[in-house]
Amino acid sequence: GAGVSQTPSNKVTEKGKYVELRCDPISGHTALYWYRQSLGQGPEFLIYFQGTGAADDSGLPNDRFFAVRPEGSVSTLKIQRTERGDSAVYLCASSPGLAGGPNTGELFFGEGSRLTVL
Amino acid sequence: ELKVEQNPLFLSMQEGKNYTIYCNYSTTSDRLYWYRQDPGKSLESLFVLLSNGAVKQEGRLMASLDTKARLSTLHITAAVHDLSATYFCAVDSRNQFYFGTGTSLTVIP
Repeated sequence: GAGVSQTPSNKVTEKGKYVELRCDPISGHTALYWYRQSLGQGPEFLIYFQGTGAADDSGLPNDRFFAVRPEGSVSTLKIQRTERGDSAVYLCASSPGLAGGPNTGELFFGEGSRLTVL
Repeated sequence: ELKVEQNPLFLSMQEGKNYTIYCNYSTTSDRLYWYRQDPGKSLESLFVLLSNGAVKQEGRLMASLDTKARLSTLHITAAVHDLSATYFCAVDSRNQFYFGTGTSLTVIP
């Protein structure tokens, strides 16, 4: 597609449930990022993929959070045993490649998935 | 951990006035980005600054980067209502982008 696509746009779940959030990046972009944004805050880094591998997962808050990108395109962020504190907008962004390369490293964001844990 | 601070956090300004938003960061980086976010929407890229002394302008907005001072500015000239939004700066450090706290701008007619 023309831009980064995220589904679902809204997800309401109960505490303790499992959630999957999907991101479809811009075609040809090898770098993919997940961010979390709470109300009134800037985006907070979660994980970064270069191709199929997680190049940096240091932002994942705990082992309830996991993300995959098995074919180097679509990515899924998985949250187990959700807690009320997980409520936020989860943003996905893609970029043409490594920031140190010839491209500018600019991130292109999707519309986000708003997660509400009751 | 790299810290990115913006000020002011909230800015209310009259149409036609000028103002500057400041972005300070705590580590060496040659890459800085400015984004705009409208309420309930995602982030829209405004400027990409890739070297010391870089200056970019688009319409009523102008961004600059001083890597020695670890400072970027976003200058607003003759503000109009359409510029009302939240503005974020972001610093690239080892392919991890660190965002500032954001500046919520309201332009009053």
